[in-house]
Amino acid sequence: IAGITQAPTSQILAAGRRMTLRCTQDMRHNAMYWYRQDLGLGLRLIHYSNTAGTTGKGEVPDGYSVSRANTDDFPLTLASAVPSQTSVYFCASSGDSTGELFFGEGSRLTVL
Amino acid sequence: GQNIDQPTEMTATEGAIVQINCTYQTSGFNGLFWYQQHAGEAPTFLSYNVLDGLEEKGRFSSFLSRSKGYSYLLLKELQMKDSASYLCAVMDSNYQLIWGAGTKLIIKP
Repeated sequence: IAGITQAPTSQILAAGRRMTLRCTQDMRHNAMYWYRQDLGLGLRLIHYSNTAGTTGKGEVPDGYSVSRANTDDFPLTLASAVPSQTSVYFCASSGDSTGELFFGEGSRLTVL
Repeated sequence: GQNIDQPTEMTATEGAIVQINCTYQTSGFNGLFWYQQHAGEAPTFLSYNVLDGLEEKGRFSSFLSRSKGYSYLLLKELQMKDSASYLCAVMDSNYQLIWGAGTKLIIKP
């Protein structure tokens, strides 16, 4: 089934640990995004990539890094996790001129 | 700053009609989106408006007034499965999406 796959779906992590959230899409979309979603707040953009080989910072990039080595994969890394990074993380991609986003199922991360 | 406002929560009755409003103040405008998000799931695309007026898609319609910075999502013949959060998002002049916090819609029998 075409779409976006995220892993892991859920993770509990000790503060200070390094964590990579994986995201893979098979729709050949150029643009990919990482969002975090917290209760009472809108989706907030962490990082984005308009095409393979390029990345950009979103609204809340601090503490996160991304890479885009190829079209399909867009991993998000927390170098040293902190409790404020407890959230639900959504990866998304976009492939047409309207900007419609296709989302992965989300990764629920708890940092203790 | 950029801002999207929508009600936090609304309640409606099965079979009825509900209108969810969204007002926005953004740096430029390149379209407005509505997404549906069921609890514990990913958002899914509902509609896209870039010109003023009403776009109808089955039981769902979306309206846009760019001069007023206003949109609404109209849901007709409500079903229990319509219980979800509805997210309004505006694409600004940099083609970045600005998201509202979402409106949780509760449908009662």
